[in-house]
Amino acid sequence: GENVEQHPSTLSVQEGDSAVIKCTYSDSASNYFPWYKQELGKGPQLIIDIRSNVGEKKDQRIAVTLNKTAKHFSLHITETQPEDSAVYFCAASKAGYQKVTFGTGTKLQVIP
Amino acid sequence: DVKVTQSSRYLVKRTGEKVFLECVQDMDHENMFWYRQDPGLGLRLIYFSYDVKMKEKGDIPEGYSVSREKKERFSLILESASTNQTSMYLCASSFPRSGTGGNTIYFGEGSWLTVV
Repeated sequence: GENVEQHPSTLSVQEGDSAVIKCTYSDSASNYFPWYKQELGKGPQLIIDIRSNVGEKKDQRIAVTLNKTAKHFSLHITETQPEDSAVYFCAASKAGYQKVTFGTGTKLQVIP
Repeated sequence: DVKVTQSSRYLVKRTGEKVFLECVQDMDHENMFWYRQDPGLGLRLIYFSYDVKMKEKGDIPEGYSVSREKKERFSLILESASTNQTSMYLCASSFPRSGTGGNTIYFGEGSWLTVV
């Protein structure tokens, strides 16, 4: 089955700096890569996703990049703010499958 | 507004007890999921259902069973709770993925289960 590895497990950045979280996946048939944000005491919530026919996608201060050859995708958060502090999960899914495999999570702390 | 509701946020149960975790979604989603969240291990799929009375094992089904008698409700059952099942349990739901499209998974707020 699919295996998704995520790094780093914890990340501390100064407010205003950028944060990058990296994931690799094992199944070359995976074609959908969502990112979820989990705030304290809440369930994860989708913040951005990318499909395998796209190399990069942006939404305001967040962006995702995908390298299909390397089976690697990343989340980039620019101009970080304290409200970006949360746990972030990457995930992978393949066409025709309803299940999603999640990474192990990154706890991001933005220091004011 | 989209809603996945887990009826119990915090539970303390004794070893050997039968435990029911209930989940209801109001979005008419076909798919429903139960995940377990542990530090350093991320979100691991226990069971998945794509229709009423249908279920599929996830990555860690041992010690768990599920029930889906109605489309909106998906229950997780621990037949005989053990201390290694102390964890946070997340219910989720989604529309089916079709073709190459993606699908948003909506999560509940989680149920913290402690088995003593």
